[in-house]
Amino acid sequence: AQSVSQHNHHVILSEAASLELGCNYSYGGTVNLFWYVQYPGQHLQLLLKYFSGDPLVKGIKGFEAEFIKSKFSFNLRKPSVQWSDTAEYFCAVIPKAAGNKLTFGGGTRVLVKP
Amino acid sequence: NAGVTQTPKFQVLKTGQSMTLQCAQDMNHNSMYWYRQDPGMGLRLIYYSASEGTTDKGEVPNGYNVSRLNKREFSLRLESAAPSQTSVYFCASSEAPSGVQETQYFGPGTRLLVL
Repeated sequence: AQSVSQHNHHVILSEAASLELGCNYSYGGTVNLFWYVQYPGQHLQLLLKYFSGDPLVKGIKGFEAEFIKSKFSFNLRKPSVQWSDTAEYFCAVIPKAAGNKLTFGGGTRVLVKP
Repeated sequence: NAGVTQTPKFQVLKTGQSMTLQCAQDMNHNSMYWYRQDPGMGLRLIYYSASEGTTDKGEVPNGYNVSRLNKREFSLRLESAAPSQTSVYFCASSEAPSGVQETQYFGPGTRLLVL
């Protein structure tokens, strides 16, 4: 089945550590890619998105993601996390060949220890 | 702008009861969506409305109905609630139908517990 996979369900790290969250999708063809974040008690907010062009995308709060088409991946990175980055992160994909529906990965819970 | 608003924030139902979740957006968006969020499964699309007057099934439509009341409002109805419908429900909207390089904007969610 076509899907979006986030390999890490939970990540715990200390402030100032680097963060990388993996996202892989199984759709062929053109895709639009997103990372959303859900802070505790809040609704989903868009971190960044990729539609076309430079595969290295910069988003809010120092996050960036790299689209590697050959690996069907869109990994999220942040060089130095803060306690306020504690949240759940969702990768999402719109595959144009699959009915243009936004499909989410299972999410990764990130806990940053002060 | 309030963005996307949802009511209620929390609800407890008994099995077999019915209820309607309300969603409204003030961004003049054409498309609206209902998702459910369950642990480890991300968000799954229940129903969506690409434009006023149209609705379509998503990935998990069974047990739900929707109404696109007007351009602003999109409601989700559970006719006979079941414990499997315990979840957090999110409404979202986008200016144009999903897939046309559109970002979806989400509401704060409704936590539903079915006993």
